[in-house]
Amino acid sequence: QITLKESGPTLVKPTQTLTLTCTFSGFSLSTSGVGVGWIRQPPGKALEWLALIYWDDDKRYSPSLKSRLTITKDTSKNQVVLTMTNMDPVDTATYYCAHSSGYYVDYWGPGTLVTVSS
Amino acid sequence: SYELTQPPSVSVSPGQTASITCSGDKLGDKYACWYQQKLGQSPVLVIYQDNKRPSGIPERFSGSNSGNTATLTISGTQAMDEADYYCQAWDSSTVVFGGGTKLTVL
Repeated sequence: QITLKESGPTLVKPTQTLTLTCTFSGFSLSTSGVGVGWIRQPPGKALEWLALIYWDDDKRYSPSLKSRLTITKDTSKNQVVLTMTNMDPVDTATYYCAHSSGYYVDYWGPGTLVTVSS
Repeated sequence: SYELTQPPSVSVSPGQTASITCSGDKLGDKYACWYQQKLGQSPVLVIYQDNKRPSGIPERFSGSNSGNTATLTISGTQAMDEADYYCQAWDSSTVVFGGGTKLTVL
Protein backbone atom coordinates (compact mmCIF):
# COMPACT_ATOMS: atom_id res chain seq x y z
CA GLN A 1 0.00 0.00 0.00
CA ILE A 2 1.51 3.26 -1.16
CA THR A 3 1.11 6.26 1.13
CA LEU A 4 2.67 9.72 1.14
CA LYS A 5 2.46 12.49 3.70
CA GLU A 6 3.61 16.09 3.58
CA SER A 7 5.07 17.90 6.56
CA GLY A 8 6.43 21.36 7.17
CA PRO A 9 5.44 24.78 8.45
CA THR A 10 1.87 25.96 8.12
CA LEU A 11 2.88 29.62 8.23
CA VAL A 12 5.88 31.35 6.68
CA LYS A 13 6.74 35.02 6.37
CA PRO A 14 7.30 36.79 3.06
CA THR A 15 10.88 36.42 1.75
CA GLN A 16 11.49 33.33 3.87
CA THR A 17 12.40 29.91 2.46
CA LEU A 18 9.85 27.12 2.67
CA THR A 19 11.04 23.58 3.31
CA LEU A 20 8.57 20.73 2.88
CA THR A 21 9.21 17.05 3.49
CA CYS A 22 7.37 14.17 1.86
CA THR A 23 7.61 10.92 3.80
CA PHE A 24 6.38 7.88 1.92
CA SER A 25 5.92 4.15 2.32
CA GLY A 26 4.97 1.19 0.17
CA PHE A 27 7.57 1.79 -2.53
CA SER A 28 11.25 2.56 -2.99
CA LEU A 29 12.61 5.61 -4.76
CA SER A 30 15.49 3.47 -5.96
CA THR A 31 13.16 1.42 -8.17
CA SER A 32 13.55 2.11 -11.88
CA GLY A 33 10.84 4.38 -13.31
CA VAL A 34 9.59 5.73 -9.99
CA GLY A 35 9.35 9.42 -9.24
CA VAL A 36 8.05 11.65 -6.46
CA GLY A 37 6.79 15.12 -7.21
CA TRP A 38 5.19 18.21 -5.73
CA ILE A 39 2.02 19.94 -6.86
CA ARG A 40 0.30 22.91 -5.25
CA GLN A 41 -3.18 24.39 -5.30
CA PRO A 42 -3.99 27.92 -4.14
CA PRO A 43 -7.36 28.17 -2.37
CA GLY A 44 -10.15 27.88 -4.92
CA LYS A 45 -7.74 27.62 -7.83
CA ALA A 46 -6.26 25.01 -10.15
CA LEU A 47 -3.49 22.51 -9.62
CA GLU A 48 0.03 23.68 -10.44
CA TRP A 49 2.94 21.28 -10.91
CA LEU A 50 6.18 22.28 -9.17
CA ALA A 51 8.88 19.62 -9.37
CA LEU A 52 9.62 15.91 -9.77
CA ILE A 53 12.59 13.74 -8.84
CA TYR A 54 13.23 10.29 -10.28
CA TRP A 55 14.82 7.15 -8.94
CA ASP A 56 18.04 8.00 -10.83
CA ASP A 57 18.16 11.54 -9.33
CA ASP A 58 16.93 13.14 -12.55
CA LYS A 59 15.10 16.32 -11.56
CA ARG A 60 12.44 18.32 -13.40
CA TYR A 61 11.12 21.73 -12.44
CA SER A 62 8.29 24.02 -13.45
CA PRO A 63 9.88 26.51 -15.87
CA SER A 64 8.14 29.45 -14.21
CA LEU A 65 9.40 28.55 -10.71
CA LYS A 66 12.67 26.81 -11.50
CA SER A 67 14.87 29.56 -10.05
CA ARG A 68 13.17 29.24 -6.64
CA LEU A 69 12.85 25.45 -6.30
CA THR A 70 15.14 22.65 -5.22
CA ILE A 71 14.06 19.03 -4.90
CA THR A 72 16.17 16.34 -3.25
CA LYS A 73 15.69 12.79 -2.08
CA ASP A 74 16.92 10.62 0.78
CA THR A 75 16.27 7.08 -0.35
CA SER A 76 17.34 5.56 2.96
CA LYS A 77 14.76 7.64 4.84
CA ASN A 78 12.03 7.34 2.17
CA GLN A 79 11.82 11.12 2.00
CA VAL A 80 11.75 13.83 -0.64
CA VAL A 81 12.37 17.45 0.30
CA LEU A 82 11.24 20.54 -1.60
CA THR A 83 12.61 23.98 -0.86
CA MET A 84 11.11 27.17 -2.26
CA THR A 85 12.90 30.44 -1.73
CA ASN A 86 11.62 33.99 -1.44
CA MET A 87 8.08 33.09 -0.43
CA ASP A 88 5.29 35.54 -1.24
CA PRO A 89 1.62 35.70 -0.23
CA VAL A 90 0.68 34.43 -3.72
CA ASP A 91 2.46 31.18 -2.79
CA THR A 92 -0.24 30.46 -0.21
CA ALA A 93 -1.57 27.06 -1.23
CA THR A 94 -2.10 23.44 -0.34
CA TYR A 95 1.08 21.59 -1.27
CA TYR A 96 0.77 17.96 -2.30
CA CYS A 97 3.44 15.35 -2.75
CA ALA A 98 2.72 12.53 -5.15
CA HIS A 99 4.02 9.26 -6.59
CA SER A 100 4.54 8.83 -10.31
CA SER A 101 5.44 5.72 -12.25
CA GLY A 102 4.74 7.06 -15.71
CA TYR A 103 3.28 10.12 -17.34
CA TYR A 104 0.79 10.52 -14.54
CA VAL A 105 0.40 10.73 -10.77
CA ASP A 106 -1.14 7.63 -9.31
CA TYR A 107 -0.92 8.37 -5.59
CA TRP A 108 -1.33 11.66 -3.77
CA GLY A 109 -0.64 12.74 -0.22
CA PRO A 110 -3.36 14.48 1.82
CA GLY A 111 -1.74 17.86 1.24
CA THR A 112 -0.55 20.54 3.63
CA LEU A 113 -1.79 24.13 3.66
CA VAL A 114 0.98 26.70 3.73
CA THR A 115 0.06 30.31 4.40
CA VAL A 116 2.44 33.12 3.59
CA SER A 117 1.81 36.15 5.76
CA SER A 118 3.68 38.57 7.92
CA SER B 1 4.97 27.56 -22.47
CA TYR B 2 2.53 24.78 -23.19
CA GLU B 3 -1.08 25.31 -22.15
CA LEU B 4 -4.04 22.99 -21.65
CA THR B 5 -7.47 24.62 -21.88
CA GLN B 6 -10.60 23.26 -20.21
CA PRO B 7 -14.11 24.73 -19.99
CA PRO B 8 -14.64 26.20 -16.51
CA SER B 9 -17.88 24.34 -15.99
CA VAL B 10 -20.04 21.56 -17.39
CA SER B 11 -23.53 20.62 -16.26
CA VAL B 12 -25.24 17.27 -16.73
CA SER B 13 -28.45 15.61 -15.58
CA PRO B 14 -28.21 12.40 -13.58
CA GLY B 15 -28.01 9.36 -15.84
CA GLN B 16 -26.86 11.39 -18.83
CA THR B 17 -23.42 11.53 -20.45
CA ALA B 18 -20.95 14.24 -19.49
CA SER B 19 -18.06 15.20 -21.74
CA ILE B 20 -15.18 17.36 -20.57
CA THR B 21 -12.63 18.55 -23.10
CA CYS B 22 -8.99 19.50 -22.77
CA SER B 23 -7.31 21.34 -25.63
CA GLY B 24 -3.63 21.80 -26.36
CA ASP B 25 -1.36 22.07 -29.37
CA LYS B 26 -0.88 18.57 -30.82
CA LEU B 27 -2.16 17.08 -27.58
CA GLY B 28 -2.97 13.89 -29.43
CA ASP B 29 0.76 13.28 -29.83
CA LYS B 30 1.16 13.15 -26.06
CA TYR B 31 -0.37 11.03 -23.32
CA ALA B 32 -3.24 12.72 -21.49
CA CYS B 33 -4.59 11.79 -18.09
CA TRP B 34 -7.45 12.99 -15.92
CA TYR B 35 -7.94 13.59 -12.21
CA GLN B 36 -11.11 13.95 -10.19
CA GLN B 37 -11.02 16.20 -7.13
CA LYS B 38 -13.93 16.39 -4.73
CA LEU B 39 -14.28 19.28 -2.34
CA GLY B 40 -11.66 19.20 0.38
CA GLN B 41 -9.98 16.05 -0.94
CA SER B 42 -6.80 15.17 -2.81
CA PRO B 43 -7.11 14.50 -6.54
CA VAL B 44 -7.72 10.94 -7.75
CA LEU B 45 -6.47 9.57 -11.05
CA VAL B 46 -9.43 8.41 -13.17
CA ILE B 47 -7.87 8.05 -16.64
CA TYR B 48 -4.22 7.62 -17.67
CA GLN B 49 -2.45 7.12 -20.99
CA ASP B 50 -5.44 8.66 -22.79
CA ASN B 51 -7.98 5.90 -22.13
CA LYS B 52 -6.88 3.53 -19.37
CA ARG B 53 -8.75 3.25 -16.10
CA PRO B 54 -6.89 2.58 -12.84
CA SER B 55 -8.12 -0.23 -10.68
CA GLY B 56 -11.24 0.77 -8.78
CA ILE B 57 -12.41 3.44 -11.22
CA PRO B 58 -15.92 2.71 -12.53
CA GLU B 59 -16.36 1.70 -16.16
CA ARG B 60 -18.54 4.75 -16.76
CA PHE B 61 -15.32 6.80 -16.94
CA SER B 62 -13.61 6.73 -20.33
CA GLY B 63 -11.14 8.85 -22.24
CA SER B 64 -9.96 9.64 -25.74
CA ASN B 65 -7.25 11.82 -27.23
CA SER B 66 -6.79 12.88 -30.84
CA GLY B 67 -5.62 15.93 -32.71
CA ASN B 68 -5.62 18.85 -30.31
CA THR B 69 -8.26 17.58 -27.90
CA ALA B 70 -8.50 15.01 -25.13
CA THR B 71 -11.95 14.17 -23.82
CA LEU B 72 -13.13 12.66 -20.54
CA THR B 73 -16.52 11.02 -20.87
CA ILE B 74 -18.70 9.96 -17.96
CA SER B 75 -21.58 7.75 -19.02
CA GLY B 76 -24.62 7.43 -16.80
CA THR B 77 -23.39 10.26 -14.60
CA GLN B 78 -24.17 9.93 -10.92
CA ALA B 79 -24.47 12.55 -8.21
CA MET B 80 -21.23 11.25 -6.70
CA ASP B 81 -19.39 12.29 -9.88
CA GLU B 82 -19.89 15.97 -9.07
CA ALA B 83 -16.34 17.29 -8.69
CA ASP B 84 -13.57 19.27 -10.32
CA TYR B 85 -11.76 17.50 -13.13
CA TYR B 86 -8.24 18.28 -14.31
CA CYS B 87 -6.43 17.09 -17.41
CA GLN B 88 -2.66 16.71 -17.43
CA ALA B 89 0.05 16.03 -19.99
CA TRP B 90 3.81 16.25 -20.37
CA ASP B 91 5.51 18.78 -22.61
CA SER B 92 9.24 19.37 -22.98
CA SER B 93 9.92 17.16 -19.97
CA THR B 94 7.64 19.11 -17.67
CA VAL B 95 4.16 18.45 -16.37
CA VAL B 96 1.26 20.67 -17.38
CA PHE B 97 -2.20 20.76 -15.80
CA GLY B 98 -5.35 22.17 -17.33
CA GLY B 99 -7.26 24.88 -15.50
CA GLY B 100 -9.91 22.46 -14.28
CA THR B 101 -13.60 21.93 -15.01
CA LYS B 102 -16.32 21.95 -12.40
CA LEU B 103 -18.83 19.22 -13.17
CA THR B 104 -22.28 19.89 -11.77
CA VAL B 105 -24.85 17.10 -11.69
CA LEU B 106 -28.35 18.55 -11.50
